[in-house]
Amino acid sequence: AQSVTQLDSQVPVFEEAPVELRCNYSSSVSVYLFWYVQYPNQGLQLLLKYLSGSTLVKGINGFEAEFNKSQTSFHLRKPSVHISDTAEYFCAVQNSGGSNYKLTFGKGTLLTVNP
Amino acid sequence: EAQVTQNPRYLITVTGKKLTVTCSQNMNHEYMSWYRQDPGLGLRQIYYSMNVEVTDKGDVPEGYKVSRKEKRNFPLILESPSPNQTSLYFCASLSLWPRGTEAFFGQGTRLTVV
Repeated sequence: AQSVTQLDSQVPVFEEAPVELRCNYSSSVSVYLFWYVQYPNQGLQLLLKYLSGSTLVKGINGFEAEFNKSQTSFHLRKPSVHISDTAEYFCAVQNSGGSNYKLTFGKGTLLTVNP
Repeated sequence: EAQVTQNPRYLITVTGKKLTVTCSQNMNHEYMSWYRQDPGLGLRQIYYSMNVEVTDKGDVPEGYKVSRKEKRNFPLILESPSPNQTSLYFCASLSLWPRGTEAFFGQGTRLTVV
């Protein structure tokens, strides 16, 4: 079984400040890791993903995340946020092999960027 | 444009009245799935389908049915909706051959059962 823990349900920050959204996972098998973003009244959009290779991955809108196998973490970071980054962010894992393609999501982190 | 289309976007219904939420994708993806999103719980998988006529239960299948008669369509059926099925529903699709790693999501259907 897999599980994903997003340590903060809400993160308020001021515009142009840096932000880190934390994600830890648990899995007995090798996994792919994802961050999805959900803007108000919209579906989920892929922000970035880690499949293999370099542990630092870059995504859209200036976001990046670092995979840490020993700590089973995949934290999302952005050096300077904008008002338009206000959204809910979901960390997710998926088996990297086998026939199960299910995404297991964390409970989400609501990022609110204030002027 | 690659997309997953759900209908309706919003639906209010009464307990016990059968309803269907449609989902269609234009990417020729083999894998399709339904999730429900509830506050504080994230997204949980209801059902999934690996291809036409191949469906299986996810983590929270009770009270739901699905069918996959065509590759592009994957409707979610609530035979007798109850208030605890009030939720935000998302359909998603994914390529299996070659294996894709990005799931594409629909815009969501907000269902209220009174």
